[in-house]
Amino acid sequence: DIQMTQSPSSLSASVGGRITITCRASQSISNYLNWYQQKPGKAPNLLIYAASSLQSGVPSRFSGSGSGTDFTLIISNLKPEDFATYYCQQSYSIPRTFGQGTKVEI
Amino acid sequence: VQLVESGGGLVQPGGSLRLSCAISGITLSDNYINWVRQAPGKGLEWVSIIHADSVKGRFTLSRDTSKNTLYLQMNSLRPEDTAVYYCAREDPTLHDGLDIWGLGTMVTVSS
Repeated sequence: DIQMTQSPSSLSASVGGRITITCRASQSISNYLNWYQQKPGKAPNLLIYAASSLQSGVPSRFSGSGSGTDFTLIISNLKPEDFATYYCQQSYSIPRTFGQGTKVEI
Repeated sequence: VQLVESGGGLVQPGGSLRLSCAISGITLSDNYINWVRQAPGKGLEWVSIIHADSVKGRFTLSRDTSKNTLYLQMNSLRPEDTAVYYCAREDPTLHDGLDIWGLGTMVTVSS
């Protein structure tokens, strides 16, 4: 199975700020990397697919990059609604696997 | 497009439950639906019927295309199976990202 490691596990940020979350795969997954946002009590929401493609309806302050084993999610100009937990997921092979999550707090 | 899970509840260890994922707006036979679970306070776990030792032999999938519904039969339940269970559509045009999710159904395994 491909292991996905996110860092950090949590971080504090300010409204208007910029944050970076990294995700590392245990083997190359090309660009089969997706990012999700989850708010408490809610289902996850797909933000970015194929490492850098913005899902429809997602604000442009979200961006993703990377290929192979190392990936990054950047959120610029943080809004209050961005404080949530973020997960990466590889869709390169089965079983699909998620990172452990990064909680973004004020 | 909507996915609606049901069938969760409280069950004793060793018991069984069948979860349903009712699909509307798309056709089950034309789509790949995943199950993802989340234990209380924990991260997301893709439920791998075939590969994961944690559920292998205990969980099985079935479908009723006439009802456009996917089922997750869970037997020999363990306390560690306690989680919210989501069904989610995997879209190959989005590099197999999970773009549509249900609200989830809670499964609690406890005596």
